[in-house]
Amino acid sequence: AQTVTQSQPEMSVQEAETVTLSCTYDTSESNYYLFWYKQPPSRQMILVIRQEAYKQQNATENRFSVNFQKAAKSFSLKISDSQLGDTAMYFCALRVTGANSKLTFGKGITLSVRP
Amino acid sequence: DTAVSQTPKYLVTQMGNDKSIKCEQNLGHDTMYWYKQDSKKFLKIMFSYNNKELIINETVPNRFSPKSPDKAHLNLHINSLELGDSAVYFCASSELPRGTDTQYFGPGTRLTVL
Repeated sequence: AQTVTQSQPEMSVQEAETVTLSCTYDTSESNYYLFWYKQPPSRQMILVIRQEAYKQQNATENRFSVNFQKAAKSFSLKISDSQLGDTAMYFCALRVTGANSKLTFGKGITLSVRP
Repeated sequence: DTAVSQTPKYLVTQMGNDKSIKCEQNLGHDTMYWYKQDSKKFLKIMFSYNNKELIINETVPNRFSPKSPDKAHLNLHINSLELGDSAVYFCASSELPRGTDTQYFGPGTRLTVL
């Protein structure tokens, strides 16, 4: 079974600054994929970034980057130059390779960007 | 064009009623999902269909019945609604049912049972 843990329930950051959201996971599988999804107040679930476990290079998408530490089973999201529109709930998720595998979500973290 | 759409966006109903939520995706994906997000925002998968075939069926009361008339549609029918069914229900789709695939979510349906 897979588990995803987001231990910080909420964080706050000043606009234009950098913030890091933590996520740890557990799986006995060696091949898997990790995701960060964003859920703004509009409720829509939006994919932020994706990381393949077999890749050593950390994924980046514009202002969003991850710090993937496979041995430590850690997958944190760094948001640079925070913008007001980044205010949302952020979910870390894990899916193992293989047919019919489930996407397992963490409990989420609420990020508030202050003007 | 909306990639994954759900109707209705809001649904308020009385306990004991039967209701349906519809989902459609125009991404050409083969796999569709239903998730439930509870009041604490926790997201959990309920069902998954690949090419109209049920492939994931979590421990969900049998009052919940998914139906996939074709691979672009996955509807969720709920019988005898209970207070505890109040939640946001998300439909999602992906090209394949494998780990590599990113899932794209619909806007969610907020169900309130009174």
